Amino acid sequence: DVQMTQSPSSLSASVGDRVMITCRASQGIASYLNWYQQKPGKAPKLLIYAASSLLTGVPSRFSASGSGTDFTLTISSLQREDFATYYCQQSYTTPATFGGGTKVEIK
Amino acid sequence: EVQLVESGGGLIQPGGSLRLSCAASGFTVSTHYMGWVRQAPGKGLEWVSMLYSAGATDFADSVKGRFTVSRDTSKNTFHLQMNSLRVEDTAVYFCASGSAVVTPFDAFDIWGQGTMVIVSS
Repeated sequence: DVQMTQSPSSLSASVGDRVMITCRASQGIASYLNWYQQKPGKAPKLLIYAASSLLTGVPSRFSASGSGTDFTLTISSLQREDFATYYCQQSYTTPATFGGGTKVEIK
Repeated sequence: EVQLVESGGGLIQPGGSLRLSCAASGFTVSTHYMGWVRQAPGKGLEWVSMLYSAGATDFADSVKGRFTVSRDTSKNTFHLQMNSLRVEDTAVYFCASGSAVVTPFDAFDIWGQGTMVIVSS
């Protein structure tokens, strides 16, 4: 199975901060990397697919990059509604494993 | 409106069986891949299974041989049959699918609200 390692597991940030979350795959997954946002008690929401493609309707402050084994999700200017847990997921092969999550909290 | 609605969760004893259902609206389950993702209390997301539009299926090792998936095209519904349930299967189960835009990457941009399964004696 492909292991997905996210870092950090949590972070504290202020509104307006630039936030970066990284995700590393245990083997090459090309661009088969997706990013989700989840708020407590809610279903995950897809933000980014294919490593860097922003889903329609997702604010442009979200961006992502990477290919192969190393990927990054960036929030350029953190907004209050962005405080949530973020997960990467590889869909290169099954099982389509998720990273452990990064909880973004208010400083 | 594109929507998924799960049902069928509940409290079940270890070793028991439960069938979860996922009703789709706004799109046809037979032409989309359909997946299940679960989340144990306080934990992260775990991919469970996938049913592809052509009929192929795949499962996480943790459920292989115990869980099966099927779809009912007449009701536009997708099912997860869970047998030989274990305490560690306790989780919120989400059904999910992908729109045409994300289909080449097997991403999930359509999600249900989740249904809780508690396996306990």
